[in-house]
Amino acid sequence: AQKVTQAQTEISVVEKEDVTLDCVYETRDTTYYLFWYKQPPSGELVFLIRRNSFDEQNEISGRYSWNFQKSTSSFNFTITASQVVDSAVYFCALSEAYLGGTSYDKVIFGPGTSLSVIP
Amino acid sequence: DAGITQSPRHKVTETGTPVTLRCHQTENHRYMYWYRQDPGHGLRLIHYSYGVKDTDKGEVSDGYSVSRSKTEDFLLTLESATSSQTSVYFCAISEGRQGGVETQYFGPGTRLLVL
Repeated sequence: AQKVTQAQTEISVVEKEDVTLDCVYETRDTTYYLFWYKQPPSGELVFLIRRNSFDEQNEISGRYSWNFQKSTSSFNFTITASQVVDSAVYFCALSEAYLGGTSYDKVIFGPGTSLSVIP
Repeated sequence: DAGITQSPRHKVTETGTPVTLRCHQTENHRYMYWYRQDPGHGLRLIHYSYGVKDTDKGEVSDGYSVSRSKTEDFLLTLESATSSQTSVYFCAISEGRQGGVETQYFGPGTRLLVL
């Protein structure tokens, strides 16, 4: 069965510190996709990144970086030099390959990690 | 940003009354979804649609119905609202191409309070 675990419920850091949000997933499929979403205090869900199971290259986008390791079933998210605007709940999510036809891409969301960046 | 709007953004209603939430997209995406977000439960899929007039149930569909008469609009109806349906409701869309998991983009959410 699919499962996404985000063991860190809440994290507080002081501005400019680096912070890593952990995500561990379970799936029996060899083809799957992983996502990160951000939910700021305003409430909307913002897509950050999507990776497929065949691409283990780490990715960097500005202050954000992602470390995908299939060996440990982890897809961790690091924010470098955190800022107050990074304060949000971050969700990791997992989806298995598209089944075709009328089926949908079932997405399993983790419980989220609430990040507070203190000025 | 994906062109997704939800209306209303906030609603307070009484138990037993019908409520309809609207999701509107300007992306011409095939798939549309309704989720609810609750503390301790995260995001759970209520219903989804894979085309006009084509809908199916998600994991928490009891007490909800949906309709999609146009590509751009996906309506969620609570026939007789209950306090357990107090939640934040999110609409999402994805393109619906053949093959490969797609990214779902979310609307701004609707906060519903059932008294």
